[in-house]
Amino acid sequence: NAGVTQTPKFQVLKTGQSMTLQCAQDMNHEYMSWYRQDPGMGLRLIHYSVGAGITDQGEVPNGYNVSRSTTEDFPLRLLSAAPSQTSVYFCASSAGQSNQPQHFGDGTRLSIL
Amino acid sequence: AQKVTQAQTEISVVEKEDVTLDCVYETRDTTYYLFWYKQPPSGELVFLIRRNSFDEQNEISGRYSWNFQKSTSSFNFTITASQVVDSAVYFCALSEKSTNAGKSTFGDGTTLTVKP
Repeated sequence: NAGVTQTPKFQVLKTGQSMTLQCAQDMNHEYMSWYRQDPGMGLRLIHYSVGAGITDQGEVPNGYNVSRSTTEDFPLRLLSAAPSQTSVYFCASSAGQSNQPQHFGDGTRLSIL
Repeated sequence: AQKVTQAQTEISVVEKEDVTLDCVYETRDTTYYLFWYKQPPSGELVFLIRRNSFDEQNEISGRYSWNFQKSTSSFNFTITASQVVDSAVYFCALSEKSTNAGKSTFGDGTTLTVKP
């Protein structure tokens, strides 16, 4: 089973460029989330979705957009990359509600020059 | 608001020592869920255990054990007879039933180094 698949694994951007981080899950999970991980700061929630067509902001949403047109896919868009967005990004999905553990992708390491 | 605090930033032990990782949480919900995840040097995040707020029974799984105490809002994790392969960053996380959104608040993590 593929689980949660993130692409690309690595990316270098110049300030001001835009890009989309892809996330797909094959477990038919309703809930999907995007986190960023910075050194010493744990994981911070960017955006999340409780189902197709429904998204909401997390703790650090500025500079990012999401959409959820299908259950399987939850792309994260950087509108105009800034050096402060240099981070490791993790996509996660869970089977439902708050009592289920999250399944994480392998992460995307993003550097903004 | 929910909050998770892992006061230990880094811990270093010698192989075969026991080590306890601390986790303290804050929540206004009466029903909530606590998780521990492991992030080895390869970078992936692996789910270890979940505990419900209404279940304070402690658990032992091999060399791992978890101590959940609602009175002190703590959910500590102990590794007995540590091994080099236990070296990783360990995250404690909290989800509230009221949010019902499949998302968690994470602590900042504890980096455990086990030396041979």
